[in-house]
Amino acid sequence: ILNVEQSPQSLHVQEGDSTNFTCSFPSSNFYALHWYRWETAKSPEALFVMTLNGDEKKKGRISATLNTKEGYSYLYIKGSQPEDSATYLCASPPFQGGSEKLVFGKGTKLTVNP
Amino acid sequence: NAGVTQTPKFQVLKTGQSMTLQCAQDMNHEYMSWYRQDPGMGLRLIHYSVGAGITDQGEVPNGYNVSRSTTEDFPLRLLSAAPSQTSVYFCASSRRGTANEKLFFGSGTQLSVL
Repeated sequence: ILNVEQSPQSLHVQEGDSTNFTCSFPSSNFYALHWYRWETAKSPEALFVMTLNGDEKKKGRISATLNTKEGYSYLYIKGSQPEDSATYLCASPPFQGGSEKLVFGKGTKLTVNP
Repeated sequence: NAGVTQTPKFQVLKTGQSMTLQCAQDMNHEYMSWYRQDPGMGLRLIHYSVGAGITDQGEVPNGYNVSRSTTEDFPLRLLSAAPSQTSVYFCASSRRGTANEKLFFGSGTQLSVL
């Protein structure tokens, strides 16, 4: 099973701060990299699905980059707001096996203080 | 739009009891899957299906059975519940069973096995 790792485990920032966190994955046999946003008491919601090296995706104040050669993706949040508080998950298919399975990292829990 | 519907939202079982967690989607998605979420762990894949009549095991399949008789439904069965199966369960679907399709999650089922 491929190891998808996220850092940091948790993060506290002040409203208005910009922040970023990392998802690491083995670079061989890459298919795709997913980012999800998971608010407390809700279900995970997809932010981005990235497939090409050098991909950059943006949704409002949130953006993501992908480096498949070195096996990492960054998620950036510009001007954090309290409503951005959530756990951010990344996922990728396993190193061995088909692309129909997604292995999730343990997430980065972001808290934005007003 | 209903999306992915899971029932029940909460369930308490005694060790050895059986039950079925229901999952239905109305988006004509080919791919459906079950995950469990435990403290300190990422979402872990239990079973998945790439279409009606086709199922396969994920990372943690032991103690669970699934079937996919229709495109819409993907029930998860616990034949003899154990305390180790206390967890939050999420059903998720995507348009096709390929890595570049985002997952849509249900609202989750919180299961306690005493």
